[in-house]
Amino acid sequence: GAVVSQHPSWVICKSGTSVKIECRSLDFQATTMFWYRQFPKQSLMLMATSNEGSKATYEQGVEKDKFLINHASLTLSTLTVTSAHPEDSSFYICSASTPGQIGNQPQHFGDGTRLSIL
Amino acid sequence: GESVGLHLPTLSVQEGDNSIINCAYSNSASDYFIWYKQESGKGPQFIIDIRSNMDKRQGQRVTVLLNKTVKHLSLQIAATQPGDSAVYFCAEIAAGYSTLTFGKGTMLLVSP
Repeated sequence: GAVVSQHPSWVICKSGTSVKIECRSLDFQATTMFWYRQFPKQSLMLMATSNEGSKATYEQGVEKDKFLINHASLTLSTLTVTSAHPEDSSFYICSASTPGQIGNQPQHFGDGTRLSIL
Repeated sequence: GESVGLHLPTLSVQEGDNSIINCAYSNSASDYFIWYKQESGKGPQFIIDIRSNMDKRQGQRVTVLLNKTVKHLSLQIAATQPGDSAVYFCAEIAAGYSTLTFGKGTMLLVSP
């Protein structure tokens, strides 16, 4: 149980386009979803926390108009990178949590999306 | 041996050896700690956790040690196997919060 799926797993697009990444909790309802960014050989950095039905809370230094997060249902959150540029190229990872912590784990992670902007 | 790369420390061991991966944390308010394994191109995978009221916890082939006095966490992997090769991250959660703060990570390379 507690499976989190991300889609797409890999995307390449031209500079200036917008890219949407989906994060789904497949077998549980996620009241909270988290979005992380990871550069090569570095750690995961939290970008934002989103609760179903409310606006996301962004970490310091993350542009909310650049990284649009929507958490419209208990099983789906989306991250849209608007007007993407090469410096936005990174590995984006989502995680999901729910009260009661399935398996006693605080967050369940997706397998990430590799975003490459040309 | 252990070496420090540009961003990611690396620990190289032989198959069958015991591995010890270390992590220092800075937030004295953290009361819950987790070790994650991340394979290339994948998300973090939960390995083991420990709460601040404990100093040791054992799982299958893994042991986590917590020293709150010096804010240090370690992950011990017994009889390391090639499949253990990955990047290992410690993460912490402060009391009353839900957000994870990840450490810098250590790459473990296991040679057959």
